[in-house]
Amino acid sequence: DGGITQSPKYLFRKEGQNVTLSCEQNLNHDAMYWYRQDPGQGLRLIYYSQIVNDFQKGDIAEGYSVSREKKESFPLTVTSAQKNPTAFYLCASRIDRGYDNEQFFGPGTRLTVL
Amino acid sequence: RKEVEQDPGPFNVPEGATVAFNCTYSNSASQSFFWYRQDCRKEPKLLMSVYSSGNEDGRFTAQLNRASQYISLLIRDSKLSDSATYLCVVNSPYGDMRFGAGTRLTVKP
Repeated sequence: DGGITQSPKYLFRKEGQNVTLSCEQNLNHDAMYWYRQDPGQGLRLIYYSQIVNDFQKGDIAEGYSVSREKKESFPLTVTSAQKNPTAFYLCASRIDRGYDNEQFFGPGTRLTVL
Repeated sequence: RKEVEQDPGPFNVPEGATVAFNCTYSNSASQSFFWYRQDCRKEPKLLMSVYSSGNEDGRFTAQLNRASQYISLLIRDSKLSDSATYLCVVNSPYGDMRFGAGTRLTVKP
């Protein structure tokens, strides 16, 4: 089955630690995205990548880093510089050819900083 | 001004009611428009794309007015299972997608 997987589903981190969230897709999509969602809030874009080895900052990139070494994978690292990292993190992908291509989302990772 | 703005809600309606959600977007160069549904503590899932001619999928109707930069979603004969948050999504010319904050709908018996 084609789709997007994220792991882990739940993650607990101590303050000062870096953590990496995994996102993998087998849909052969070109573009991949990371969003953060806080309770009762909409999705805010952290980073996105339209092609391998290239990515762009979104609205709230500070304290986060990404890599896109393979088309299928777009891991997100939440660094200790991120002041309030507790949130629901969603990864998405999209074909990115033409305009009428929706995003498909993974199931998300809930990160809690203890 | 936010790039995508939605009715803040929440909307609380009885079963069988008709409910309409509105959304406005600021970037006139946007080309793709979508409504997503998000259940509590789950990922968003595509409900329907929105086309200039308007489109309908069962009880759901989406409309786009490019001149006014306005998108709407109409739900007829609401079901309990329609309770969710509805997200308006617009593509940006830079390759990313812009999300509204969402409108929460609760359908009550």
